[in-house]
Amino acid sequence: RKEVEQDPGPFNVPEGATVAFNCTYSNSASQSFFWYRQDCRKEPKLLMSVYSSGNEDGRFTAQLNRASQYISLLIRDSKLSDSATYLCVVNHSGDDKIIFGKGTRLHILP
Amino acid sequence: SQTIHQWPATLVQPVGSPLSLECTVEGTSNPNLYWYRQAAGRGLQLLFYSVGIGQISSEVPQNLSASRPQDRQFILSSKKLLLSDSGFYLCAWSYLRGTGGETQYFGPGTRLLVL
Repeated sequence: RKEVEQDPGPFNVPEGATVAFNCTYSNSASQSFFWYRQDCRKEPKLLMSVYSSGNEDGRFTAQLNRASQYISLLIRDSKLSDSATYLCVVNHSGDDKIIFGKGTRLHILP
Repeated sequence: SQTIHQWPATLVQPVGSPLSLECTVEGTSNPNLYWYRQAAGRGLQLLFYSVGIGQISSEVPQNLSASRPQDRQFILSSKKLLLSDSGFYLCAWSYLRGTGGETQYFGPGTRLLVL
């Protein structure tokens, strides 16, 4: 099993719709989780951290399910500008190892 | 505020030529520094990371090397480039381990094409 797995997509979603995607991780000792956004030919940028209790930032909601070892990202009222690749990141604090998923591509359609 | 710089932004090099990519961080001290490569359509591959001056850990065997001559400077080098070295090279920094600041912040990247 890969350390961090994501559905590569692409997810083609009409503007205004709600979209969600998950990321699974294999190491139960993982302690920190993040979602990054990467636009085409640009560097990844931090979108949000994922807290145990779940957290929301505007139209974005991130959740962590430790029992099933996955994190999720929900985007409501999607905008054309949300089109990007979303990278899941997991940190093993014990060995200071940070693992990036390969990303999920999202296309918001007008 | 912290900023991270990389140069050059793009580079086209012949096979067998040397390489030197530079990354500098401003506005923080003693950061963890990282070099990643992202090949076309692929995920991020960690190449090297450094927790301090002169301290380099290599994640994958390759013909690349890294050096950290100063606290906020990280250099990626090669003596002879291969075609497979083409890709998008990203430098990143994070706070020291133990501070809870595992978030990584990326530079704008260098796009390398080896011909």
